[in-house]
Amino acid sequence: TQLLEQSPQFLSIQEGENLTVYCNSSSVFSSLQWYRQEPGEGPVLLVTVVTGGEVKKLKRLTFQFGDARKDSSLHITAAQPGDTGLYLCATSGAAGNKLTFGGGTRVLVKP
Amino acid sequence: GAVVSQHPSRVICKSGTSVKIECRSLDFQATTMFWYRQFPKKSLMLMATSNEGSKATYEQGVEKDKFLINHASLTLSTLTVTSAHPEDSSFYICSARGQVQSGQYFGPGTRLTVT
Repeated sequence: TQLLEQSPQFLSIQEGENLTVYCNSSSVFSSLQWYRQEPGEGPVLLVTVVTGGEVKKLKRLTFQFGDARKDSSLHITAAQPGDTGLYLCATSGAAGNKLTFGGGTRVLVKP
Repeated sequence: GAVVSQHPSRVICKSGTSVKIECRSLDFQATTMFWYRQFPKKSLMLMATSNEGSKATYEQGVEKDKFLINHASLTLSTLTVTSAHPEDSSFYICSARGQVQSGQYFGPGTRLTVT
């Protein structure tokens, strides 16, 4: 099972500030997914990255996949209180079946 | 599309009773469903993988006699927590994947509280 490490575990910022969340592994990702989960709800898929060096943007969110496909980052520009939640990275591994999740980063954006 | 529902959303039961949680794919056929457990402020832990019409595959450390999983149809999987104890209290989330969908789609979760 591929281990995913997320950092930081918790991030508290003021509205309007930027933040970056990291996801790392000692193994190569076949693909990587980022999810956001709000309290009492299931995770919602934000993006899937597949190609090394890939950059994807989703409004104020920018996702990067490392060239070696061992790391990924999620950057939020001008964070808003609505961005508050648990951000999870996950990979399905080479078999493409079950997902392995990172430990998650809890983000709190204060108004 | 690709909507997954769970029922109930919250349940409180007494210690020693059994509780059934349903996971349904509403607009696609789910060939594979997954059950996760999540403790407060923690990430998701995979409990088991179920394929329609076959026995579930449990992750290491998950008691299959305690957490009974049935995937009898392409749109429904159930998780039954048998003889529940307070330590079984948790947030249980299912996800589903079909033949067409490339990813997993998650249900909204079920909060189980055992008193």
